[in-house]
Amino acid sequence: NAGVTQTPKFQVLKTGQSMTLQCAQDMNHEYMSWYRQDPGMGLRLIHYSVGAGITDQGEVPNGYNVSRSTTEDFPLRLLSAAPSQTSVYFCASSYSYEFNSPLHFGNGTRLTVT
Amino acid sequence: GENVEQHPSTLSVQEGDSAVIKCTYSDSASNYFPWYKQELGKRPQLIIDIRSNVGEKKDQRIAVTLNKTAKHFSLHITETQPEDSAVYFCAATGYSGAGSYQLTFGKGTKLSVIP
Repeated sequence: NAGVTQTPKFQVLKTGQSMTLQCAQDMNHEYMSWYRQDPGMGLRLIHYSVGAGITDQGEVPNGYNVSRSTTEDFPLRLLSAAPSQTSVYFCASSYSYEFNSPLHFGNGTRLTVT
Repeated sequence: GENVEQHPSTLSVQEGDSAVIKCTYSDSASNYFPWYKQELGKRPQLIIDIRSNVGEKKDQRIAVTLNKTAKHFSLHITETQPEDSAVYFCAATGYSGAGSYQLTFGKGTKLSVIP
């Protein structure tokens, strides 16, 4: 099992550009989520999904879109990048949305918006 | 929603001493409390977790305690080693409505173990 795979590892965008961060898991997990990590702010939830076709907003959803067309994939779209979106992004999945099992993280994507 | 406070934000200990990190949560319905360790430049990884029907759990040098009445839980690391140096995050999960659960993280504690 590869676990949770994120691409790309690094990305530089100009203000106003759009892009998609890819996330895939091969563990048949129900729950998938996106977090952003900023210095001194911990991990903040952007969007999450409890199954294919179901998504919901987390703590900091503005400027981001998600979709979940399959159990395996959960891409995060930046619609019009802003410098405030410079951050490290982690995708994470769990077997159950009730968190009876641990949250598994991908290796992260370091995004810089200039 | 849930609010998780974590203290201290930084902690330095001598090798061999113990380290304690404390977290409080706001939602009395929260029922799952994991701890994650994040080494520099790497992803967070689960080190121990506890559920609301248990007061304490141990795994070798690591232990977690939970006080549901006071709504706080703590991570205890004994006989610290240099490889314990990392950022540690606590988290709490609770029901957020409409059949959804969310995991809310504390802001992290940077632990430095001095050889």
